[in-house]
Amino acid sequence: AQKVTQAQTEISVVEKEDVTLDCVYETRDTTYYLFWYKQPPSGELVFLIRRNSFDEQNEISGRYSWNFQKSTSSFNFTITASQVVDSAVYFCASMDSSYKLIFGSGTRLLVRP
Amino acid sequence: DGGITQSPKYLFRKEGQNVTLSCEQNLNHDAMYWYRQDPGQGLRLIYYSQIVNDFQKGDIAEGYSVSREKKESFPLTVTSAQKNPTAFYLCASSGVLLQGLETQYFGPGTRLLVL
Repeated sequence: AQKVTQAQTEISVVEKEDVTLDCVYETRDTTYYLFWYKQPPSGELVFLIRRNSFDEQNEISGRYSWNFQKSTSSFNFTITASQVVDSAVYFCASMDSSYKLIFGSGTRLLVRP
Repeated sequence: DGGITQSPKYLFRKEGQNVTLSCEQNLNHDAMYWYRQDPGQGLRLIYYSQIVNDFQKGDIAEGYSVSREKKESFPLTVTSAQKNPTAFYLCASSGVLLQGLETQYFGPGTRLLVL
């Protein structure tokens, strides 16, 4: 069965610090998909990124970067030079051949001015 | 603008009452989903529908019902059988599930409280 673990319940940083959110996934499938979503205080989930299991290339988008490592079953998310607007709950999720999106429990990020 | 709308933003339910949460999308997506989020937890799938007039139970379907009469709409009814309905409910939609390639996009959510 699929499982996603986000061990960090809450992280607090000062603005401009770099921060990494950890995500560890479990699946028996060889083909699967990994996602990150952001949930600001308003509640709506905002899609950030999707990666396929056959593409381990890391990705950078502005201040955001993602490190996908099959060897450790991890898909970590780094925010460089954090800003107050980055404060939110971040969810990692996976989808395997069942086509179900399985979410981790989320990491609450607080960026202090 | 294309997107997913949910109404109402807040909903209050009395004991023994059924309530219906609305979800509408104009993204021309075939698949729609309902999730429940409890404080400090991730999302859990209640029901999903891949096509009009068809839907399947998710992981926590007991006490809930849905219908899919139109492609754009996927209302969720929280029945009196759901003993602990207080939660944040999120609706999502995606294109047709072809080998799991479709990303789910979410609405703004409805917060349900029991009086």
